[in-house]
Amino acid sequence: QKEVEQDPGPLSVPEGAIVSLNCTYSNSAFQYFMWYRQYSRKGPELLMYTYSSGNKEDGRFTAQVDKSSKYISLFIRDSQPSDSATYLCASNDYKLSFGAGTTVTVRA
Amino acid sequence: KAGVTQTPRYLIKTRGQQVTLSCSPISGHRSVSWYQQTPGQGLQFLFEYFSETQRNKGNFPGRFSGRQFSNSRSEMNVSTLELGDSALYLCASSSTGDGNTEAFFGQGTRLTVV
Repeated sequence: QKEVEQDPGPLSVPEGAIVSLNCTYSNSAFQYFMWYRQYSRKGPELLMYTYSSGNKEDGRFTAQVDKSSKYISLFIRDSQPSDSATYLCASNDYKLSFGAGTTVTVRA
Repeated sequence: KAGVTQTPRYLIKTRGQQVTLSCSPISGHRSVSWYQQTPGQGLQFLFEYFSETQRNKGNFPGRFSGRQFSNSRSEMNVSTLELGDSALYLCASSSTGDGNTEAFFGQGTRLTVV
């Protein structure tokens, strides 16, 4: 079993919709959680970095962590075609453990 | 501030050859980690170096090795290449590498083994 599970999608939404992405993890020791965005043929770009449970907002992006249920979420409000990418959740102890990545397409 | 730089961006090698990839971390970062990304397995951890010492290693065969120099630049080497080694190789730079600081990736080196 992978330490971080993520539905690979794909997910297709119309422009302006809210994109909701979710991951679960199994390692109770995880305390740091990240979301990366990866465009085709590029390296992952760090979007959000959170510690322990709670919410963190950055512009149109909101990350949520619920440690009691081992659940990680990312919400993208007012989605744009430029948000079309693969989104990877990850948690970090001595290494990053990644989910499989969800491919998102925002249709104009 | 310059980001993480990986060279070369693309490589084509034949089976049995060896290859060396290079990573220059963000200035001031002392931890460099290497990951392999494939469509089937996703992102998998190879190893991590901090202050020229390998601190952690993933589940890859000994053909995969690395090193870090005193200026924190890192290289990884793959010997006796196999077709299955075709992948995007990514390095990540962080200040401490112990999980409580952000990790930033380079653009990757796309290795094709033919």
